[in-house]
Amino acid sequence: AQRVTQPEKLLSVFKGAPVELKCNYSYSGSPELFWYVQYSRQRLQLLLRHISRESIKGFTADLNKGETSFHLKKPFAQEEDSAMYYCALSGPGATNKLIFGTGTLLAVQP
Amino acid sequence: GAGVSQSPSNKVTEKGKDVELRCDPISGHTALYWYRQRLGQGLEFLIYFQGNSAPDKSGLPSDRFSAERTGESVSTLTIQRTQQEDSAVYLCASSLVRNGYTFGSGTRLTVV
Repeated sequence: AQRVTQPEKLLSVFKGAPVELKCNYSYSGSPELFWYVQYSRQRLQLLLRHISRESIKGFTADLNKGETSFHLKKPFAQEEDSAMYYCALSGPGATNKLIFGTGTLLAVQP
Repeated sequence: GAGVSQSPSNKVTEKGKDVELRCDPISGHTALYWYRQRLGQGLEFLIYFQGNSAPDKSGLPSDRFSAERTGESVSTLTIQRTQQEDSAVYLCASSLVRNGYTFGSGTRLTVV
């Protein structure tokens, strides 16, 4: 079965510290992986997708098929990074349905 | 419109009543999705529309839940005989190209 696991409900770091939000997935095939972010009082929005291999707001994520992981990383956290982060996967097929993890709340302390 | 619009933003209803939740997707987006988010949990997929048809309804939790979409535009999610466990935020998203979801701000449903 397709599943996305985010083991941490809360991650608290100090400003300037490195951040790693963990995401592991279960999928028999080649999934597409995404990170979505929800800032306070804002809508859920796409942060980045693995196929783009991009860096958004200093965040990167590398798909590791051997470890079935897609961890989100940033070398130096900023207070404005505080938000809820969701990892999601999409399998092949026409539906484009996303399976989401339970989310990790990142709190960046001053 | 400029974004995905959902209404109402908040709904409090009595147990046993029916509710209708509305989603206006981005104009031209052929794909539309409904998700549910219960407190402290992730997003649960409910149903997917491609145009006016729903090829994937696998996430609808019971026959009390139904959804329709008209004119490749507005979608309505209907919950009949609401129960307390239906309390959640219901999110709608639309998409034009594969994997490019745009979410609405959600409807917070509270069943008392």
